[in-house]
Amino acid sequence: DIQMTQSPSFLSATVGDRVTINCKASQNINKYLNWYQQKLGEVPKRLIYNTNSLQTGIPSRFSGSGSGTDYTLTISSLQPEDVATYFCLQHKSGYTFGAGTKLELK
Amino acid sequence: EVRLVESGGGLLQPGRSLKLSCAASGFTFSDYYMAWVRQAPTKGLEWVAYISYDGGSTYYGDSVRGRFTISRDNAKSTLYLQMNSLRSEDMATYYCARLRYAMDAWGQGTSVTVSS
Repeated sequence: DIQMTQSPSFLSATVGDRVTINCKASQNINKYLNWYQQKLGEVPKRLIYNTNSLQTGIPSRFSGSGSGTDYTLTISSLQPEDVATYFCLQHKSGYTFGAGTKLELK
Repeated sequence: EVRLVESGGGLLQPGRSLKLSCAASGFTFSDYYMAWVRQAPTKGLEWVAYISYDGGSTYYGDSVRGRFTISRDNAKSTLYLQMNSLRSEDMATYYCARLRYAMDAWGQGTSVTVSS
C-alpha cells in the first residue's frame, strides 16, 4: 500500500503570506495527487487534481506542483477564508489521504 | 448541479449491521465510478470502498474488506454500503463521493455511531 506523509501538521500564517504544504508518497505516484480543503463543519472540497490542475471555481492563488514522490500545495497570498484543514490524496493505486494540515491565522 | 445525499446512519451496538444509501442527481450516475469515504471524529479521511460504472467491479480498504459491501442501482441513481459486524472503530461520518480523477464531488455525509 502507498503511504502519504503530509507536513506540517499545523501551520500558523499571516494574511498575505505565501504558504506551502507538502506531501511525500512512499513510492512514485506519477502525479496522481489531489489536494482538498475542509473548513470546520463542512464537506471536503477539491482544490487541485493530478498535481497541478486547478478545479473549476477555485481561486488562482492555489497551485500545486511536484513529481515522483514529492508534492506541494502553495497558497500564494493567504486570505482569511483559507483557514481550513488541507489534505492530500494519492490515487495512483487505491486511495490514500494524508493526515492533514490545519492552517490558522497568526 | 451535482447533488449527493446520504442517509441511513444511526446509533447501534457493536456486531450489528447497517445499510447506507446515497441518492445522486444532477449528473448521469451510470457514467461514474462511485466511492464511500469516512472520517472518524477529529480524524482524517479514509477511503472505504469504490465501485465501477455497472457495479461489476468493487474494491475495499483493508479495514473493511470482508465486512462491508458496496453496491449500486443505476436505475435509481443510488449507491449503497452494507456494513456488517460493526466495530467501535467504524464510528465515523460516511461520505458518498463521485469519482473523476478521484473524489470530485461529495455528499454532506451521514453519521454512524457504534457503541454498547
